[in-house]
Amino acid sequence: KQEVTQIPAALSVPEGENLVLNCSFTDSAIYNLQWFRQDPGKGLTSLLLIQSSQREQTSGRLNASLDKSSGRSTLYIAASQPGDSATYLCAVKTAGNNRKLIWGLGTSLAVNP
Amino acid sequence: GAGVSQSPSNKVTEKGKDVELRCDPISGHTALYWYRQSLGQGLEFLIYFQGNSAPDKSGLPSDRFSAERTGGSVSTLTIQRTQQEDSAVYLCASSLAYSGTNEKLFFGSGTQLSVL
Repeated sequence: KQEVTQIPAALSVPEGENLVLNCSFTDSAIYNLQWFRQDPGKGLTSLLLIQSSQREQTSGRLNASLDKSSGRSTLYIAASQPGDSATYLCAVKTAGNNRKLIWGLGTSLAVNP
Repeated sequence: GAGVSQSPSNKVTEKGKDVELRCDPISGHTALYWYRQSLGQGLEFLIYFQGNSAPDKSGLPSDRFSAERTGGSVSTLTIQRTQQEDSAVYLCASSLAYSGTNEKLFFGSGTQLSVL
């Protein structure tokens, strides 16, 4: 059974720092891995989607990597800004005929001015 | 519309009452999903629609929960005889396709359901 874990659960950093959020999963047979952000009282926004055959994806200051063999993904945020404060969720889509998204509990990020 | 719209944004109800939650997906999106998010829990998959049919209802917690989608567009999630443990944020998402290059999910802002 696929399980997704995100560490740390919460993180507080000063503005301008580069930071790394971690996501690990127990079953390497995945279809893709996705990163989302959730702002308080709002729905989720898709940030990056990495297919199982890919090693990384980049969007602006965000870079997500995928290492299937070790069951890990990292989300790198460069030059963090207060507007990056949110909860970041990792989700793994299982492989096979009945693909499902399995979600982590998220990392709550606070970037302080 | 411009995004996924959910209504109501907040719903307070008494235990034992029925509630209906509505989701209006992005026009043209064939796939629609319902999730539940409880405090301290990860997102819990409830049901997924492809067009008007629901290939996967495996996440519905009990027979008190049902959902339908009409015209390949609006979906309603109905909870009968609500219980306090049903209190959560109910999120709807849609995508152009279920998987592949068009599977990016777009979420609504959710319905916060409180059962007293």
